Amino acid sequence: NAGVMQNPRHLVRRRGQEARLRCSPMKGHSHVYWYRQLPEEGLKFMVYLQKENIIDESGMPKERFSAEFPKEGPSILRIQQVVRGDSAAYFCASSPFSQRRTISGANVLTFGAGSRLTVL
Amino acid sequence: GENVEQHPSTLSVQEGDSAVIKCTYSDSASNYFPWYKQELGKGPQLIIDIRSNVGEKKDQRIAVTLNKTAKHFSLHITETQPEDSAVYFCAASIIPMNNNAGNMLTFGGGTRLMVKP
Repeated sequence: NAGVMQNPRHLVRRRGQEARLRCSPMKGHSHVYWYRQLPEEGLKFMVYLQKENIIDESGMPKERFSAEFPKEGPSILRIQQVVRGDSAAYFCASSPFSQRRTISGANVLTFGAGSRLTVL
Repeated sequence: GENVEQHPSTLSVQEGDSAVIKCTYSDSASNYFPWYKQELGKGPQLIIDIRSNVGEKKDQRIAVTLNKTAKHFSLHITETQPEDSAVYFCAASIIPMNNNAGNMLTFGGGTRLMVKP
């Protein structure tokens, strides 16, 4: 099992460009979460998705940011017209589907290695 | 919403000593408390977690305690080794009863642990 795969690992963009970050969850996982980490800070929740559905996007800025998790392919976090304040590490996590929340391992989040966005 | 505070922000110990990191949370409905270790340039890795139906859990040199009344939980690492040096994050969430429900973690600010040989 390759774990949660994120790419690119590093991305440099100029102000005003678009950034696309991709995340392939662990095999068998149907829940995807995106978190943002600013330098020397903790991780902040952005959005939670299941296949073809955004379940909770309360942590995602209303403008310029969007996320999707299509039926086929990876989850995408898209940032339009990037600004310097978007520079951060963006982490994707996935968790398995479970009918019973008490099963050991259910709801446990596994994180990818992150995508580090630098906006010049 | 949930708010998680973590202390200290940095912790330096001698190899072989114990390290303790403490977190408090605000939402009494939270029922899941994981701890993650993040090494430089890598993603967070789960090292231990505890659910609200137990007060303590241990895994070799790592233990976590939970005080639901006071709304705080702690990570204890005994016999620290240089490879324990990393940033540690606590987190809290509410795992709902719904089938196929997600788990949106709220993280603390992190503790940079340095173990000196």
